[in-house]
Amino acid sequence: GAVVSQHPSRVICKSGTSVKIECRSLDFQATTMFWYRQFPKQSLMLMATSNEGSKATYEQGVEKDKFLINHASLTLSTLTVTSAHPEDSSFYICSASGGLYGYTFGSGTRLTVV
Amino acid sequence: GQQLNQSPQSMFIQEGEDVSMNCTSSSIFNTWLWYKQDPGEGPVLLIALYKAGELTSNGRLTAQFGITRKDSFLNISASIPSDVGIYFCAGQLGNQFYFGTGTSLTVIP
Repeated sequence: GAVVSQHPSRVICKSGTSVKIECRSLDFQATTMFWYRQFPKQSLMLMATSNEGSKATYEQGVEKDKFLINHASLTLSTLTVTSAHPEDSSFYICSASGGLYGYTFGSGTRLTVV
Repeated sequence: GQQLNQSPQSMFIQEGEDVSMNCTSSSIFNTWLWYKQDPGEGPVLLIALYKAGELTSNGRLTAQFGITRKDSFLNISASIPSDVGIYFCAGQLGNQFYFGTGTSLTVIP
């Protein structure tokens, strides 16, 4: 089946630093990848949609300069949280469109900014 | 983004009981999906529904795509402890997904 690998699974960083999260489709080509943010005990909130080779489309209220998304190839999208602050601490999840099962989610990244 | 209304928000049930949860929207969707999320993990697809009125089963799970295309329900029969988790519905329209608010399920042995 379709597999999406997301790394790292957990990261702790200092306030003011940047963190990069990778999302890879391992056995299929993903023309579209989605990035979500999830707060504890809440649902997934779509942050942005990225299409290979073009600029990401951000949802209203999501700062594009803070959450940089790059989808340079059909198997890799990255989310960089720039100048992270404690309020950016959250669970970030990617999903990829493609493969046999439509949309497949990564296993998520727990970001803690201290 | 848009969120779907999912109920109940949480459920505490005895092992062996049946579970039912539903999702409603003001928008029409082409596809309804149900996911389960374990703590610290990404959602895993349980059932996908592609046609209004469709009733699909996956083991002890049964889901239906509402006739109006604005709702869906998920039933779990004879619950077991490993059913514990958060269940999300999702409606798909074009290339966009919209998630429900989630149902937290606790199964008491």
